[in-house]
Amino acid sequence: DSGVTQTPKHLITATGQRVTLRCSPRSGDLSVYWYQQSLDQGLQFLIQYYNGEERAKGNILERFSAQQFPDLHSELNLSSLELGDSALYFCASSVDPGGASMEGYTFGSGTRLTVV
Amino acid sequence: DQQVKQNSPSLSVQEGRISILNCDYTNSMFDYFLWYKKYPAEGPTFLISISSIKDKNEDGRFTVFLNKSAKHLSLHIVPSQPGDSAVYFCAASARNQGGKLIFGQGTELSVKP
Repeated sequence: DSGVTQTPKHLITATGQRVTLRCSPRSGDLSVYWYQQSLDQGLQFLIQYYNGEERAKGNILERFSAQQFPDLHSELNLSSLELGDSALYFCASSVDPGGASMEGYTFGSGTRLTVV
Repeated sequence: DQQVKQNSPSLSVQEGRISILNCDYTNSMFDYFLWYKKYPAEGPTFLISISSIKDKNEDGRFTVFLNKSAKHLSLHIVPSQPGDSAVYFCAASARNQGGKLIFGQGTELSVKP
């Protein structure tokens, strides 16, 4: 158990729908990162939150949004889902707001989203 | 723009031999380089890292080498064990560019008994 909790583990939904993925960071970590892993792709950075505020944005679609709550858990909202959004979504956390360190991030076990 | 590249999608090695996984990068501002290991149905787990001021870091059977002039990173596993079979991702970050980790596409290592 890495200490980063992601729910649900699996999600199957139809095109056009909206889903919410949830992440609880490791105790003491203030930064949360969201990554997407599609088939044959590496981990693509989506967005980072630090202590409730957006810190950095990657290749996140406008249909996707995220937030971090006062208790530091984070939610990734995916709307108007398309078949191509099917992927593994990982959440990670770190103590350092900048993220760059020898220790890197601690990852959760991911949410597998299937859009049919 | 793929700043971190792993050009070998897969690698097969015999148990007891050396596994060498390679990674190339384009951003000269990267300060830290990390390797993560991922088993199916699990998230990536941190394996070993190196800062840009070093050229080698060792941890047990795992050694990471950094060649800054060639912008090349490699992970050596000696001796390889069947339990090392997993997908290995290299990643890099730059403090003055927000520090987020940029990942390569991954290399699937298979260690055969």
